[in-house]
Amino acid sequence: GENVEQHPSTLSVQEGDSAVIKCTYSDSASNYFPWYKQELGKRPQLIIDIRSNVGEKKDQRIAVTLNKTAKHFSLHITETQPEDSAVYFCAASRPTDSWGKLQFGAGTQVVVTP
Amino acid sequence: GAVVSQHPSRVICKSGTSVKIECRSLDFQATTMFWYRQFPKKSLMLMATSNEGSKATYEQGVEKDKFLINHASLTLSTLTVTSAHPEDSSFYICSARDYLGTDTQYFGPGTRLTVL
Repeated sequence: GENVEQHPSTLSVQEGDSAVIKCTYSDSASNYFPWYKQELGKRPQLIIDIRSNVGEKKDQRIAVTLNKTAKHFSLHITETQPEDSAVYFCAASRPTDSWGKLQFGAGTQVVVTP
Repeated sequence: GAVVSQHPSRVICKSGTSVKIECRSLDFQATTMFWYRQFPKKSLMLMATSNEGSKATYEQGVEKDKFLINHASLTLSTLTVTSAHPEDSSFYICSARDYLGTDTQYFGPGTRLTVL
């Protein structure tokens, strides 16, 4: 089955700096890669996603890049703000023949200090 | 749009009792719902996939007789923790995919279960 590894486990950044989180996946058939943000005690919120036919996607301060050959994808947050502090999870899923099950990475605790 | 609710948000029960958790898609029809368990400071662990009108598919190591899942309609899935024990205490979260089959999963707010 799919295995997703996520690094780093914790990331401290100064407000205004950039943050980068990297994930690798094992199943070359995976074609959908979402990123979720989870604040303490809250539900995971989808912040951005990318499909395998696209190499990069951007939404304001957030961007995701995908390298299918290397089987890794990354989340980039620019101009970080204290409200970006949360746990971020990457995930991967195969086409809908597996009902779109998501395999999550272990998570990255991001702390943005003012 | 794409709102998923869960009820209850928090439940405390005695060991040996059963607890039912509801997951509802409020503004869309969900042919597939997923149930996750999350331990403190850990990732989401998929327990089972619930498809409307059919039996749930459980992940390896998850006891289907202990965690009963029912997906009777396109907007409701339930998870029943039977004969709960303290080790079942956890944060249970559901998610739903819409019937159009897009990949996006929308998560419920979670249920904090504490078994005494």
